[in-house]
Amino acid sequence: DTEVTQTPKHLVMGMTNKKSLKCEQHMGHRAMYWYKQKAKKPPELMFVYSYEKLSINESVPSRFSPECPNSSLLNLHLHALQPEDSALYLCASSQDNVEASPLHFGNGTRLTVT
Amino acid sequence: AQSVSQHNHHVILSEAASLELGCNYSYGGTVNLFWYVQYPGQHLQLLLKYFSGDPLVKGIKGFEAEFIKSKFSFNLRKPSVQWSDTAEYFCAVNLNQGGKLIFGQGTELSVKP
Repeated sequence: DTEVTQTPKHLVMGMTNKKSLKCEQHMGHRAMYWYKQKAKKPPELMFVYSYEKLSINESVPSRFSPECPNSSLLNLHLHALQPEDSALYLCASSQDNVEASPLHFGNGTRLTVT
Repeated sequence: AQSVSQHNHHVILSEAASLELGCNYSYGGTVNLFWYVQYPGQHLQLLLKYFSGDPLVKGIKGFEAEFIKSKFSFNLRKPSVQWSDTAEYFCAVNLNQGGKLIFGQGTELSVKP
């Protein structure tokens, strides 16, 4: 089983709702990531946090707002989403954000926007 | 733009057949290469990785991959597949840009018992 825990497993929300996705790891990793994966597609990088600071934002719309309260936790705040934002949202962590560190993925949150 | 290409969208094999999945990347700089597997209903797991040294790397579950720098390729191989290898396989390249990992389109492998 994975050591990266994501909650909730499933989420259905309306376009006017505000919700948050949560991710937690206790491996002492200092880099954390959000990826978005549509069906039959590869994961697409959204954000990278390194030592609790946002280091990469892949031009993600502002209706997605990441937060890293501490080195073990990563949140993704959602507001005013569109139906096309429905996807599997994956959290990952790595020892640090240097290139040799493999990513450890969570099981994901399957988001449906109605 | 940097990209990762996996040649096969869906591969169907019988048990005990040999497997080779192609992966090419387009990036001129130093890269680190990975293969990840996603079993049905499970999270992405690391199969193997290449950073430097011996271009033939061995991973878990009998998988191996060969890095050929001149061909910008990192193909995945297994001599004899099992039904339990049925999964989606992703090649990924880290571009040495602060943790930016780019995935290929994925190859769905179906192994018939």
